[in-house]
Amino acid sequence: DADVTQTPRNRITKTGKRIMLECSQTKGHDRMYWYRQDPGLGLRLIYYSFDVKDINKGEISDGYSVSRQAQAKFSLSLESAIPNQTALYFCATSEGNTEAFFGQGTRLTVV
Amino acid sequence: AQKVTQAQTEISVVEKEDVTLDCVYETRDTTYYLFWYKQPPSGELVFLIRRNSFDEQNEISGRYSWNFQKSTSSFNFTITASQVVDSAVYFCALSDLTGGYNKLIFGAGTRLAVHP
Repeated sequence: DADVTQTPRNRITKTGKRIMLECSQTKGHDRMYWYRQDPGLGLRLIYYSFDVKDINKGEISDGYSVSRQAQAKFSLSLESAIPNQTALYFCATSEGNTEAFFGQGTRLTVV
Repeated sequence: AQKVTQAQTEISVVEKEDVTLDCVYETRDTTYYLFWYKQPPSGELVFLIRRNSFDEQNEISGRYSWNFQKSTSSFNFTITASQVVDSAVYFCALSDLTGGYNKLIFGAGTRLAVHP
């Protein structure tokens, strides 16, 4: 089993729908992150968290919200999806300043 | 502001050629880390290397080698004797360690196509 698991792996949703992307990890890391990948732009940070009480906005947080339900779970929500949120989303974890470990990615299409 | 530039959008080579992927970064931090990740067509991100700002030694791992030069703020990646399996998008990233996190600033990526 993967250390960082994202569900779903692929999702097609309609404009205006609420959608949640989930991430769980078994690495025991305290820091978790959500990134978005767009072609030609690399990955950009959406939100990051140290624990359930610590949530921080990243570079592109508008239109997104997150929930850290437990140390091992970090969910990303799109309250009202729009087509330009079509992207590949990655969850990552790290322990302090060590390398980040990434999930397999969630490919989201908003039609 | 921190920034990573990968000026090469796409590179195409024939198998067995050597290829170098360029990475230039900007930061005012004295302590930072640099990373390379590989993204094969399947989409996952594969960690290749982490280098801290105090270690300028070049590193070699099989056919892969990395050249870190603080004087030019570059962290270039060379694949020797490329193979078709090396075809992927490669990302260079810089760490932002503010607040004890390891937030990554990614370059736009370089798509490498290795042809038989």
